[in-house]
Amino acid sequence: DAKTTQPPSMDCAEGRAANLPCNHSTISGNEYVYWYRQIHSQGPQYIIHGLKNNETNEMASLIITEDRKSSTLILPHATLRDTAVYYCIVRVGGYGGATNKLIFGTGTLLAVQP
Amino acid sequence: DGGITQSPKYLFRKEGQNVTLSCEQNLNHDAMYWYRQDPGQGLRLIYYSQIVNDFQKGDIAEGYSVSREKKESFPLTVTSAQKNPTAFYLCASKPGHNSNQPQHFGDGTRLSIL
Repeated sequence: DAKTTQPPSMDCAEGRAANLPCNHSTISGNEYVYWYRQIHSQGPQYIIHGLKNNETNEMASLIITEDRKSSTLILPHATLRDTAVYYCIVRVGGYGGATNKLIFGTGTLLAVQP
Repeated sequence: DGGITQSPKYLFRKEGQNVTLSCEQNLNHDAMYWYRQDPGQGLRLIYYSQIVNDFQKGDIAEGYSVSREKKESFPLTVTSAQKNPTAFYLCASKPGHNSNQPQHFGDGTRLSIL
């Protein structure tokens, strides 16, 4: 599975857009990009995922570069409740046995400031 | 509401004792997973199950055991052979192991040694 690189921490002002980068330069053609977040002492919460195209849902937008070597998670209007550790994960799609597991790194701690 | 329920939220183990962590889901998912999270680290896969009566070892299965007798239940036993069991344990599920749909997590069980 491809490895990901994320900055350890970021700050964002409340009400502004939070843009969280992720580098996955060794990603292969059938690997999806998933984003989760984890608030202290809770289970990870799924946010969004994509393969090639940009994706948007009620929580966030996912922008994947054309070469798929990096992506950005965008929280359009950050609130204090968005303070959490954000994980970017790549995973092989389809049949792959144990490679279908999610590999969580250490993520980015996003601190939303009032 | 549909979801994943882990119990208990906090658990204490005495030396030489086996303890069992409960994970129940009413999402009708075939695949279920157990992860361990240590402070400041990402998640590591202990065991996973693709379907009832089947389970496979993950990356750190030593000292743990599981069963999958019912679709909705995937209990994890931390045995006395696990010498460093203090951690945050997370259960997850998804429609099928090979599905590209995301895993959904419970709120975890925090295990400590007395």
